Amino acid sequence: GQQVMQIPQYQHVQEGEDFTTYCNSSTTLSNIQWYKQRPGGHPVFLIQLVKSGEVKKQKRLTFQFGEAKKNSSLHITATQTTDVGTYFCAGTNTGNQFYFGTGTSLTVIP
Amino acid sequence: SAVISQKPSRDICQRGTSLTIQCQVDSQVTMMFWYRQQPGQSLTLIATANQGSEATYESGFVIDKFPISRPNLTFSTLTVSNMSPEDSSIYLCSVEFPGIYYEQYFGPGTRLTVT
Repeated sequence: GQQVMQIPQYQHVQEGEDFTTYCNSSTTLSNIQWYKQRPGGHPVFLIQLVKSGEVKKQKRLTFQFGEAKKNSSLHITATQTTDVGTYFCAGTNTGNQFYFGTGTSLTVIP
Repeated sequence: SAVISQKPSRDICQRGTSLTIQCQVDSQVTMMFWYRQQPGQSLTLIATANQGSEATYESGFVIDKFPISRPNLTFSTLTVSNMSPEDSSIYLCSVEFPGIYYEQYFGPGTRLTVT
């Protein structure tokens, strides 16, 4: 069945280091979204990508959608303690089914 | 930006009872969804709440266990019926706004503990 896996599951970084989470789908996605969930909070929408090879930036965050539309990445430059949380990708496949990824939990050590 | 609220924010219930969770948005939305999230886990879609018709349930979820209502474009309820400890989880509603496809905005969640 459809799976959207993220790696790594957990990541600890020193403040100021970069961080990347990777999202991989077993099937082609028509779009992908990224969400951030702070500890004890609810998921917050960050961005949506729809085009093959698309790259979008939000300040220190860079989002990329793979050429085959089966994978995506989120890269954070120079992490800050405010970046702490779990980052989820989520996507819709060509059958219009929607799946959340498994998530990557980021801890930033001051 | 719109405000999405859920009631109750948390509850502790006895097994065999039912709990109804409300989701209210302060503006009209096209889609409303209900999710379940175990602590430290990802989100699992329970169903899409359709306005004026029966909800669309995902595999593994049935109407008898999770009846859903959506009487208008700003409100939905999810009932967790005949609860067992396995139903302990966080339940989240999310919405899509008109013209903004696939971007979901979440309510604060309801933390349910079944004893």
